[in-house]
Amino acid sequence: DAGVTQSPTHLIKTRGQQVTLRCSPKSGHDTVSWYQQALGQGPQFIFQYYEEEERQRGNFPDRFSGHQFPNYSSELNVNALLLGDSALYLCASSSINQPQHFGDGTRLSIL
Amino acid sequence: DAKTTQPPSMDCAEGRAANLPCNHSTISGNEYVYWYRQIHSQGPQYIIHGLKNNETNEMASLIITEDRKSSTLILPHATLRDTAVYYCIVRVLMNNDMRFGAGTRLTVKP
Repeated sequence: DAGVTQSPTHLIKTRGQQVTLRCSPKSGHDTVSWYQQALGQGPQFIFQYYEEEERQRGNFPDRFSGHQFPNYSSELNVNALLLGDSALYLCASSSINQPQHFGDGTRLSIL
Repeated sequence: DAKTTQPPSMDCAEGRAANLPCNHSTISGNEYVYWYRQIHSQGPQYIIHGLKNNETNEMASLIITEDRKSSTLILPHATLRDTAVYYCIVRVLMNNDMRFGAGTRLTVKP
């Protein structure tokens, strides 16, 4: 049983570009959350998707957007990339009364 | 939302019990205590959670004080593979946004 899978594992972009990160949830999970983890810090919640709708959102600008598909997979989009967006982006999936399972993340570097 | 306080780092000898403390003095009655850990270059891994009773699973034990203002995660026989950052989080629901602090960096030494 595959856990949470994220792609790509690493990505390099330049300032001003746009990026799309992808996440496939663990089998049986219907909720996907995205987190940003800067070097040396704990993960920070970006937003959560359930039934293809954004259900919760953390303190992140509108440059960060997402989508959830009917098969529960999800994408995170970041526009107008800044140097400060360099981080590990984590996806977590869950279902009601189940703990969140995390993928190993996408390492995004902005030059 | 309750905030948590954890020591920034701890060491433990291999084979000994690792006891990781967490203070959550402003916890509400319906908030659970969750523990996750993050091994280098991996995503966080769920360990255990509890409301007010002590809990045990195959990974660890969770001891919550009677007033619920603090808790301790116990790894009974720490191994080198348990070296990681351990996060204590207080939230109502499992699929709420998990609010990670800085955690405790546990180093298990041979």
